[in-house]
Formats: sequence, structure tokens, C-alpha cells
Amino acid sequence: TQLLEQSPQFLSIQEGENLTVYCNSSSVFSSLQWYRQEPGEGPVLLVTVVTGGEVKKLKRLTFQFGDARKDSSLHITAAQPGDTGLYLCAGARGSTLGRLYFGRGTQLTVWP
Amino acid sequence: DAGITQSPRYKITETGRQVTLMCHQTWSHSYMFWYRQDLGHGLRLIYYSAAADITDKGEVPDGYVVSRSKTENFPLTLESATRSQTSVYFCASSDWSGNQPQHFGDGTRLSIL
Repeated sequence: TQLLEQSPQFLSIQEGENLTVYCNSSSVFSSLQWYRQEPGEGPVLLVTVVTGGEVKKLKRLTFQFGDARKDSSLHITAAQPGDTGLYLCAGARGSTLGRLYFGRGTQLTVWP
Repeated sequence: DAGITQSPRYKITETGRQVTLMCHQTWSHSYMFWYRQDLGHGLRLIYYSAAADITDKGEVPDGYVVSRSKTENFPLTLESATRSQTSVYFCASSDWSGNQPQHFGDGTRLSIL
């Protein structure tokens, strides 16, 4: 059973378009992390959100943690080909310190 | 250089053979993890370790063995490899808190014929 459900699984868009990736759960998390993975490499952390309702911005990327700390979203404005990659959300739970629960990922392709 | 390194990067072996994947980190992070990544399944946790000599099962531990005699090393052994264990394996490490990021190696692509 997947604790975190990510959608969509695949996203193929043109340069300049906006997009949103969702990460949902019925469980509460103490924090939510977003990673990006490129082919042949391991995932790399983009951001950590800790407080319910928190919004963090990283250039054209906006991350939001749901008020109830059960869901999160990643919004990209004016996508560029360099944004292409696998985006993974991962949640931490207080009951299992150190361990992260990963979603299955969203494969984003941005065409020039 | 500081970081986390996995070896080998690529490995081909036959069913029934024993194979060990190595992971070494230079940060002295307390936590270390082994994941496998397969299409349609995402990253699945095999085993993790909170400190030297402390290990715990993840989601898919069957067929795998780990040890952690030193903080910096966390080898993963497939005692008798099966084709279903063909995958890309990632090692990661993190500091003690659950909110700390996990730092991943570049993976080992393992093919079992």
C-alpha cells in the first residue's frame, strides 16, 4: 500500500506552460520533501515543508503543504526544458524517525 | 571528497549467485538506507539503519541482507540472486532527524540473467 499517491504519473508539456503535481495521503506527516531525479543519478532534494499551510518558492517552483499536513503540491510556472525530470514527494512520520515514505513519482517532460 | 558513493555502478550476474553492493558515506550521518527503483513502483525501501549495528526492515526486505559494522559503510547483499531482483539500487544517508534530507548515491544498475 502506497502511503503517498502522486499524480499525474506522466506529464508532457510545451515550454512556457504551467503545471501542478499533487501528492496526497490519508496519513499525517511531520514534514514533506520534494526531490528531483535526472537519468542516471540519485534524487536530489528541492525543498522541505514542515508547517501545515506552508508555502515555499524556489524561483519558478512553488511548493505548498496542506493545512492538515496530509497533502502537498508542486506548481511550476513557465516550464522550461531544463525542468524535465522525475519529481518525487516523500513524507516523514514522527513514529518512524529518519525514514521517508516516497510517492511513485511524476515524470515531467518539457518540450522546446 | 565528501559524499556518498556506490559501487559498482553496473553489475551483471546470474541467478543463484551472491552479489554485494557497496555504499560509503563521508558525512558521518547516522541513518543509511537501501532502496530499489523499478518502473511503476517508484523507490521502495529495502533496509535501513539508524546507527552502527542497528538495522531494520523496510517494505521489500526478502532476499536481501545488510550489515553496518561501521557508521560510514552499509553493504547490501543478495545471497542468492533472482531475476526479480534486477533493478536500480540506491543508497542514501541522512542526519538523525526525520526532517533532514536524504542524500543519494548515483545508483547501481543490477541485471540478473
